This record gives sequence, C-alpha cells and structure tokens, in this order.
Amino acid sequence: AAGVIQSPRHLIKEKRETATLKCYPIPRHDTVYWYQQGPGQDPQFLISFYEKMQSDKGSIPDRFSAQQFSDYHSELNMSSLELGDSALYFCASSLVEKFMSSGNTIYFGEGSWLTVV
Amino acid sequence: GIQVEQSPPDLILQEGANSTLRCNFSDSVNNLQWFHQNPWGQLINLFYIPSGTKQNGRLSATTVATERYSLLYISSSQTTDSGVYFCAAPFSSGSARQLTFGSGTQLTVLP
Repeated sequence: AAGVIQSPRHLIKEKRETATLKCYPIPRHDTVYWYQQGPGQDPQFLISFYEKMQSDKGSIPDRFSAQQFSDYHSELNMSSLELGDSALYFCASSLVEKFMSSGNTIYFGEGSWLTVV
Repeated sequence: GIQVEQSPPDLILQEGANSTLRCNFSDSVNNLQWFHQNPWGQLINLFYIPSGTKQNGRLSATTVATERYSLLYISSSQTTDSGVYFCAAPFSSGSARQLTFGSGTQLTVLP
C-alpha cells in the first residue's frame, strides 16, 4: 500500500540558510500534518491542512511556513535556520472520519532529518 | 489542551518476556493511537484504539475511555521490538485531528 512520501530524507544546512521539505500524502487523503521531533523529544505538532486550507496551527515558528498544493502535496519552508531547528520532521496524512471505518487514523512518513550546522 | 502521560519511561526486557505499557490522558478522547518508533526514526502505526481492545499478533491494546487510560501489551518480546513506544491523542475536541504525543516508553529487548 502507498505510504506518505517525504523528501529529502536527510538535509544539512548552515545557520541562516533556508530549507524546504516536501510531502506527498497517501492517495485520497485530504489532510496533511507536519510534526517536529527534536533529539530525545516526542513529536510536536506544527501545522495541518485540510483540503488545501490551513486547518490547525501548533508550535510553528514564524520563520516557518507551509502550504498544500492542488495535487495535495505539501511543502514546509524554513528560513533563517537556527541550530535548534535540527530535528526529525514528519509529515503525516489522514482521511476525514466519515470515510474510514477505522476512524481518523493518522499515518506518518519516514521523516526528514534536518541538521543545521 | 490534553495531557498525555506514559509509563514507564524506560523498560529493559529479556527476549521472550511480556510487558505492559501504560498511557494516561487528561480528557475524554475520540482518537487514541499507539506508535512504535524504531531505531531508524520511523513512526509505525500500531493501533487506532479510542476504546475497547484490539490485537495484532504479539501486540494488543486496550483503552478504557471512561477511566482515561490505554494499555499496550507486548508478549514474547523480540529484539526487533526495541524502540520508543508513543501513545497520542487529539490536542482538544476542537482540533480532533491534531495529535498530542506522550513522552514515550523506551523499550530495550536484550537477546
């Protein structure tokens, strides 16, 4: 079965640079989420999109922005990178509950490792 | 928003042993998921279990929604079960799809 696809898998950037992460949700899923997991931490919700509109916003820094495109893929843009932005970034997707007998299960991609040096 | 607490924080087992991981949450939920994060960082769905009991091979999970806790059982543990186990619940009823994660249980299974 198709899963959530993230790219790149690994990324090394210098401080103050910009990085862009891409996410391709599971086909037919209408909601995309971005999470950030720092070293030794649990994943923290950043932002989500439902049908290409921002639906929820979590602890996303102002230096970060995201959008969902017409083909449902999403991109997370991170500018003025700081050392503390080094983390594993997950994209996840789901389908609204009424269409899924298994409820609103959220599926995660394999993550993108960002290292800021 | 909801608070999610997991216990124990660390668990070391000998291969073949059984274990129980616990997840407490501070509010009623309509979505509770268990994940396994393997040593390569992948977050793997184990169960979607807002209530009741489910089983998948050596793993099973039970959520008692009225008492606001969920349990993950691992039987006959294997070294490949090592990793961090997270439970996650919706941040709030108004953000039903945004998950708040517990701090995880780090499981190490020794050969």
